[in-house]
Amino acid sequence: GDSVTQMEGPVTLSEEAFLTINCTYTATGYPSLFWYVQYPGEGLQLLLKATKADDKGSNKGFEATYRKETTSFHLEKGSVQVSDSAVYFCALSDQGQGGKLIFGQGTELSVKP
Amino acid sequence: KAGVTQTPRYLIKTRGQQVTLSCSPISGHRSVSWYQQTPGQGLQFLFEYFSETQRNKGNFPGRFSGRQFSNSRSEMNVSTLELGDSALYLCASSLEPGRGDQPQHFGDGTRLSIL
Repeated sequence: GDSVTQMEGPVTLSEEAFLTINCTYTATGYPSLFWYVQYPGEGLQLLLKATKADDKGSNKGFEATYRKETTSFHLEKGSVQVSDSAVYFCALSDQGQGGKLIFGQGTELSVKP
Repeated sequence: KAGVTQTPRYLIKTRGQQVTLSCSPISGHRSVSWYQQTPGQGLQFLFEYFSETQRNKGNFPGRFSGRQFSNSRSEMNVSTLELGDSALYLCASSLEPGRGDQPQHFGDGTRLSIL
């Protein structure tokens, strides 16, 4: 079945450091890919998305490129801030499965001043 | 535009009881999905409703059920509660199901604790 694998956390960075969170997927169809972020005590917020190969999603300085050849959707940010501290989830939605989202296990990011 | 609203935010129940959680989607959204989030299992899909019909169901026992009303609001019910049902239950809405260009938007969840 479809699945998403993320790098394990927690990830601890200093402010202004470069961030990469790895995400790879397996899917039988042509999935759409998403990154969601969860702050303490809150639900998930959509960070960015990509619906087809080579699409780049971007938002608030975060970027991720849909790589079909490597089945990856790695999240990057050039300079993280303390306010980026949260849990990040990679997810896919596969055609033929309606709106069902399949999530990775989440990666906790902690940014220190 | 108001976001997805889930009520109540917190709930404490005892084993064997049943519980009903409510979700009001973003105005105009007709698809509602439910997810369970636990530290051990992560985020798992429960079910999806569109136009008052269940379109998709995850791998959960029959104690977990849901429904959607004509105004797109949704409820989920868990009967005969078990300790393992303690979790954050998240509701998400979208315009239509299965459209990657119309992603799901999540509420803040209902935190259910079973004593």
